[in-house]
Amino acid sequence: DAGVIQSPRHEVTEMGQEVTLRCKPISGHDYLFWYRQTMMRGLELLIYFNNNVPIDDSGMPEDRFSAKMPNASFSTLKIQPSEPRDSAVYFCASRRTGFVNSPLHFGNGTRLTVT
Amino acid sequence: GNSVTQMEGPVTLSEEAFLTINCTYTATGYPSLFWYVQYPGEGLQLLLKATKADDKGSNKGFEATYRKETTSFHLEKGSVQVSDSAVYFCALSGHAGNMLTFGGGTRLMVKP
Repeated sequence: DAGVIQSPRHEVTEMGQEVTLRCKPISGHDYLFWYRQTMMRGLELLIYFNNNVPIDDSGMPEDRFSAKMPNASFSTLKIQPSEPRDSAVYFCASRRTGFVNSPLHFGNGTRLTVT
Repeated sequence: GNSVTQMEGPVTLSEEAFLTINCTYTATGYPSLFWYVQYPGEGLQLLLKATKADDKGSNKGFEATYRKETTSFHLEKGSVQVSDSAVYFCALSGHAGNMLTFGGGTRLMVKP
């Protein structure tokens, strides 16, 4: 079990640039979540997918953010254009259906810095 | 809606001290309750869980009991170690079970 894999681990970009974060969930997991963590706001759920279909994107802060899951083994979170206030650690997490017996598995995150 | 409230940190303890991190929740129905731990530079990982009232979750010397009458799920450990230094998150899953609602996290610092 390789765990949830996120790339890159660190991303530094300039304001206005497009940023793409990537996630590979654990094989067999049918739920995928994107979270953002900051000191000020803590852990925020941005969007989650079930069987590759977006279920709830109410946490996506604005239209600059978009997420896709083209297949069961890959998801992206894109920010275009990026702004300094987007600086945060972005986590991807996955789990198998049946929450009580299936914990949420997190990747190690992507630390995004927008200058 | 659902919400989780944790004690503010940081909590600073000496090695072998007793730990309590308070967690209270607001939820409809009968949620499942969780504690997650985040070590520096890593994602969150499940520490323990409880699925119904009066259940006690335990792992690695940590314990928490699901108290429905006080809507609480306090985390305890009898003797902390330096390696327990991390951020601890209390969370609940609602009736639908699809999403977790997290508390704000409590940073624990254990000094030798």
